[in-house]
Amino acid sequence: DAKTTQPPSMDCAEGRAANLPCNHSTISGNEYVYWYRQIHSQGPQYIIHGLKNNETNEMASLIITEDRKSSTLILPHATLRDTAVYYCIVRGTQGGSEKLVFGKGTKLTVNP
Amino acid sequence: DTGVSQDPRHKITKRGQNVTFRCDPISEHNRLYWYRQTLGQGPEFLTYFQNEAQLEKSRLLSDRFSAERPKGSFSTLEIQRTEQGDSAMYLCASSLEARQYFGPGTRLTVT
Repeated sequence: DAKTTQPPSMDCAEGRAANLPCNHSTISGNEYVYWYRQIHSQGPQYIIHGLKNNETNEMASLIITEDRKSSTLILPHATLRDTAVYYCIVRGTQGGSEKLVFGKGTKLTVNP
Repeated sequence: DTGVSQDPRHKITKRGQNVTFRCDPISEHNRLYWYRQTLGQGPEFLTYFQNEAQLEKSRLLSDRFSAERPKGSFSTLEIQRTEQGDSAMYLCASSLEARQYFGPGTRLTVT
């Protein structure tokens, strides 16, 4: 089972920031938070991942709370092409399974 | 385009037939994964290879399913005696480290 909880859907206006929340209250010390997204009829696409510090790349920012029980993915200036299902995944990297366990994700709709 | 390719992109088959899908990972990636995705659900893990060794299999992978990765390069996923419940998108991903790169998927329809 997925170790994360996400809202099923969110809306955002084009050009505004999209803030997607994720709860992972049972995360353990060696587990990372990953975000992927899936645009309709395509394979999932990696966005960003982090352990405990906030991370930023060319696509998004990831804010992880100090207790690591939740995180927020921020798309700073959402465009129509950001409409997709966003998956928050918790995954260990030391001796654990290599697989990604996807939940149902958040369906983000960016409106013009 | 992530560099992971899958063939075919679409497959329609009749119940009871066998089907085989191919995945070509990014060339230097030693890890390869298969996932299955049904409508409205997130992808579900099926199996994982490191080089040519199949290291993990999901309980979803019944005895009608078999996957191979000869020589640690491309991989094939075969489904024997297909059932309507096998209709899904079959996704392949590859990685060198933690980040997985997904292919476009093969959509299987069993009639």
